[in-house]
Amino acid sequence: SQTIHQWPATLVQPVGSPLSLECTVEGTSNPNLYWYRQAAGRGLQLLFYSVGIGQISSEVPQNLSASRPQDRQFILSSKKLLLSDSGFYLCACSTGGRGQPQHFGDGTRLSIL
Amino acid sequence: DQQVKQNSPSLSVQEGRISILNCDYTNSMFDYFLWYKKYPAEGPTFLISISSIKDKNEDGRFTVFLNKSAKHLSLHIVPSQPGDSAVYFCAASAGKGGATNKLIFGTGTLLAVQP
Repeated sequence: SQTIHQWPATLVQPVGSPLSLECTVEGTSNPNLYWYRQAAGRGLQLLFYSVGIGQISSEVPQNLSASRPQDRQFILSSKKLLLSDSGFYLCACSTGGRGQPQHFGDGTRLSIL
Repeated sequence: DQQVKQNSPSLSVQEGRISILNCDYTNSMFDYFLWYKKYPAEGPTFLISISSIKDKNEDGRFTVFLNKSAKHLSLHIVPSQPGDSAVYFCAASAGKGGATNKLIFGTGTLLAVQP
């Protein structure tokens, strides 16, 4: 089964600073990859998904971007963080096509000061 | 527009009793539903799923019921244990998620199982 690594686990950044969160997947190839954000008291909001290297789809307009430079690597970035970017960021993957559950990493808690 | 709704933000249950977590959806195209469990500072863990061709799926202490006409599903945990205390998310997809396997999540219900 696949294992999803996310780092760092926690991050405190000043407003206006850049961001790079990394997610790597082991134990599978050609997965679908996803970035979610959970804001305080809210559900999981899908930010980006990718079905292959270099293929990124954005779900909501925002201050963030995503890239997939390798099959099992997914990166979430920002050039200038906003206070509203605070939250819990989760990477997920799914394999095997339709009707398969997504599996999540342990997330990064991002606090913007 | 919240397509998947969990109207109870929290639920408290005694150990050994049944926990019933509810979820409603609005999109009639949804045909695949999942439940996830999440502990603080961890990612959600997949629990159980159900396809729209079924109305019940069981896995150990966990059973999911689907009522398509009411656009409602529920997760039953019997018997409830203190280790079940977590946030439970309901999720849904249309066309079994298609090639992208996209899921729409509810806002979660915090379950507290009292010893």
